[in-house]
Amino acid sequence: QVNLLQSGAALVKPGASVKLSCKASGYTFTDYYIHWVKQSHGKSLEWIGYINPNSGYTNYNEKFKSKATLTVDKSTNTAYMELSRLTSEDSATYYCTIRYYFDYWGQGVMVTVSS
Amino acid sequence: DIQMTQSPASLSASLGETISIECRASEDIYSNLAWYQQKSGKSPQLLIYAANRLQDGVPSRFSGSGSGTQYSLKISGMQPEDEGDYFCLQGSKFMYTFGAGTKLELK
Repeated sequence: QVNLLQSGAALVKPGASVKLSCKASGYTFTDYYIHWVKQSHGKSLEWIGYINPNSGYTNYNEKFKSKATLTVDKSTNTAYMELSRLTSEDSATYYCTIRYYFDYWGQGVMVTVSS
Repeated sequence: DIQMTQSPASLSASLGETISIECRASEDIYSNLAWYQQKSGKSPQLLIYAANRLQDGVPSRFSGSGSGTQYSLKISGMQPEDEGDYFCLQGSKFMYTFGAGTKLELK
């Protein structure tokens, strides 16, 4: 069965960067784009962007173009999202999800930005 | 960018009651719309895709309808397990936008 296993919670200092991972199993890794979604405290969801694992092509929400960098490692079926120059506004839960209508989701990872 | 306006923000329903949640897009999204349920502390779960197609395993009391810029999710007969947050998502041209969400509670 499809499983997206995300890395554990992160506590990071303002101005630093963090790299989140999403390890896929149960399907052919290159078959589906991998999307990332941000959920801020209080529930609103924002689409960050997606990566084509086959080609490495990325497409970002304009709002996150200078914040997020999406990559993949096909040898380990793992997708990554690096968030840079972190501020308190980046404190949120981040999800990876696949397929056009986001059929499958990772369990989410909470990122807390605090000194 | 396409904006999604979801209403109501919150809703309280009695057991067995039929409820509807609406999403309006700022432009035609050609039925590229999905609905999700999210329970506290969990990941969202896909209920409806392509505006009116029921995801495998989702109870038939959930249904979706709409076209153009107007879409709705209907729950025909509220159950206790239906409590949670509901979101719409538009995915036109591989650019995605979520609605702000609806909190559904059992009265």
